[in-house]
Amino acid sequence: EAQVTQNPRYLITVTGKKLTVTCSQNMNHEYMSWYRQDPGLGLRQIYYSMNVEVTDKGDVPEGYKVSRKEKRNFPLILESPSPNQTSLYFCASSLTPFPRYEQYFGPGTRLTVT
Amino acid sequence: AQTVTQSQPEMSVQEAETVTLSCTYDTSESDYYLFWYKQPPSRQMILVIRQEAYKQQNATENRFSVNFQKAAKSFSLKISDSQLGDAAMYFCAYRSAYAGGTSYGKLTFGQGTILTVHP
Repeated sequence: EAQVTQNPRYLITVTGKKLTVTCSQNMNHEYMSWYRQDPGLGLRQIYYSMNVEVTDKGDVPEGYKVSRKEKRNFPLILESPSPNQTSLYFCASSLTPFPRYEQYFGPGTRLTVT
Repeated sequence: AQTVTQSQPEMSVQEAETVTLSCTYDTSESDYYLFWYKQPPSRQMILVIRQEAYKQQNATENRFSVNFQKAAKSFSLKISDSQLGDAAMYFCAYRSAYAGGTSYGKLTFGQGTILTVHP
């Protein structure tokens, strides 16, 4: 089954404790992206990747890192989480950045930073 | 930069009735796609319908249709014969088709509209 997977689905952590949210897709997609969803703000792009070893900042990159060492994986790293990073996070992928190709979303990761 | 605005935080409809969700956007580009996504309580993002800006004909998917007004930069979603399963948060989104832009590939979302369906 074609899908985007994220782990963990839920995470409660404390300020400053490094964490990684994994994202993997099995569709051989070039384009991958991370979004965060906050009430009243919709979803906003954090980082994106056009292909292996090609990543760039989205609209809200502060406090986050990403890497793309393999085509299928695109982990999101929070080196020193803070309470303002409490949010719902989505990983997404599409064959290419061209909008004709549907962007598939993972199931979401609910992160709480205390 | 592009922006998408959904001015209705909440809407409600009676089962079997019709409801329209509003969306406006701002862009200086001429080639782009617009989308409506549904997010049920499971939080999964589900693509409902898409519209290519160069196509004059409004997109339709079963009970879902759009009213795309390019000059007015308006993109509303009409849900006919509403069902209990339509209850969800709905997001309007924009995606550029311009490969040279810094936002190429990015989905720009509106704030979302919570739709309640009454039996």
